[in-house]
Amino acid sequence: KAGVTQTPRYLIKTRGQQVTLSCSPISGHRSVSWYQQTPGQGLQFLFEYFSETQRNKGNFPGRFSGRQFSNSRSEMNVSTLELGDSALYLCASSLVAGARNEQFFGPGTRLTVL
Amino acid sequence: AQSVTQLGSHVSVSEGALVLLRCNYSSSVPPYLFWYVQYPNQGLQLLLKYTTGATLVKGINGFEAEFKKSETSFHLTKPSAHMSDAAEYFCAALNSGYSTLTFGKGTMLLVSP
Repeated sequence: KAGVTQTPRYLIKTRGQQVTLSCSPISGHRSVSWYQQTPGQGLQFLFEYFSETQRNKGNFPGRFSGRQFSNSRSEMNVSTLELGDSALYLCASSLVAGARNEQFFGPGTRLTVL
Repeated sequence: AQSVTQLGSHVSVSEGALVLLRCNYSSSVPPYLFWYVQYPNQGLQLLLKYTTGATLVKGINGFEAEFKKSETSFHLTKPSAHMSDAAEYFCAALNSGYSTLTFGKGTMLLVSP
């Protein structure tokens, strides 16, 4: 069974631009969570989607948004990029919603904002 | 809100030595606790988790962790380090709503020959 895939793996953008990251969960998994990883703040929860509905949202500004499609694939969007948005963005999938269920992580998308 | 503290951003051991990575969580009833490992340029992989029951939890790659409620700790150990264990390790806990994970800052394990 294929693991969680994230595209693209690396991305370079400039301040003020917007970016869309994609995550394909493991087949059969219906929940997708997104995390931001930075050296200073560590791993921080962004949001969780289950059955195309956002179930939880972390403490991030409205510039960060996401969605989930009927095939469980998910995208996250960051508008008006800031230098501080440079990070590794990790996607994790699980069979059902809720962090008690084992989450399988993708390799991440490394976003650099110049 | 749940918080997780990992003592030591870097831990260095020699190959064959005991590995001990420390994790303390803020009191929460009941806690669900996890250890993840992250190799360079990869995502996180679950090593082990504690939910209920036995306080000594065995995971993959020879790692284990012991839940100690009185000390609010969940330290990760491995009797004998291997070069392939060099990676970053994260301790995590469920928040009180059981919906999201709170991660520690991570501990980089360095293994020397």
